Amino acid sequence: AQKITQTQPGMFVQEKEAVTLDCTYDTSDQSYGLFWYKQPSSGEMIFLIYQGSYDEQNATEGRYSLNFQKARKSANLVISASQLGDSAMYFCAMRDRNSGGYQKVTFGTGTKLQVIP
Amino acid sequence: GAGVSQSPRYKVTKRGQDVALRCDPISGHVSLYWYRQALGQGPEFLTYFNYEAQQDKSGLPNDRFSAERPEGSISTLTIQRTEQRDSAMYRCASSRQSGLTPSYEQYFGPGTRLTVT
Repeated sequence: AQKITQTQPGMFVQEKEAVTLDCTYDTSDQSYGLFWYKQPSSGEMIFLIYQGSYDEQNATEGRYSLNFQKARKSANLVISASQLGDSAMYFCAMRDRNSGGYQKVTFGTGTKLQVIP
Repeated sequence: GAGVSQSPRYKVTKRGQDVALRCDPISGHVSLYWYRQALGQGPEFLTYFNYEAQQDKSGLPNDRFSAERPEGSISTLTIQRTEQRDSAMYRCASSRQSGLTPSYEQYFGPGTRLTVT
């Protein structure tokens, strides 16, 4: 089974509108972390936001918020007031432990977001 | 420098040659990770280190791939007898902590684009 699933290969959003990028995950670990990264066309990987499995509040960082629904195992990224510079690939990732007790980080396949003027 | 650096940025090699890719993490970062990223895909975990100890190498594709971090700082990923299927972007990331503290985000380097001809 996929550990991280991003079902939207591509998304369009109008400038200044909000957009939600979906991410579901699968783990048997009780302690894990969920991350979102942005990868613009330049190729760099930019950390956006983190949510811990024990955090009760949804994480927020500026225009980014993470809609964490633990029972549904989803960690959707919400970008408010989209800007042209938000056009990029977005990756959801999870850090948990494998059967050997070592931490692993698994990335999803990404969602390509395009902001339309 | 303040960020993670990798060298070389681009490497073209003939099939059968060995290559060594270098990663210089952010000073003081305990954990160092290696990933491989194919075009249009998310990073694929290869291996990681805490200080100089290699914690998990289960992501290494086969025994042609090896990594070391002898002094707990700079790391080298070596691919022996390269094959065309090894062509990809190889990324390194570092974080302040690991394991029990999943909140510490990873800072990615710019990557080494490897092309095997």
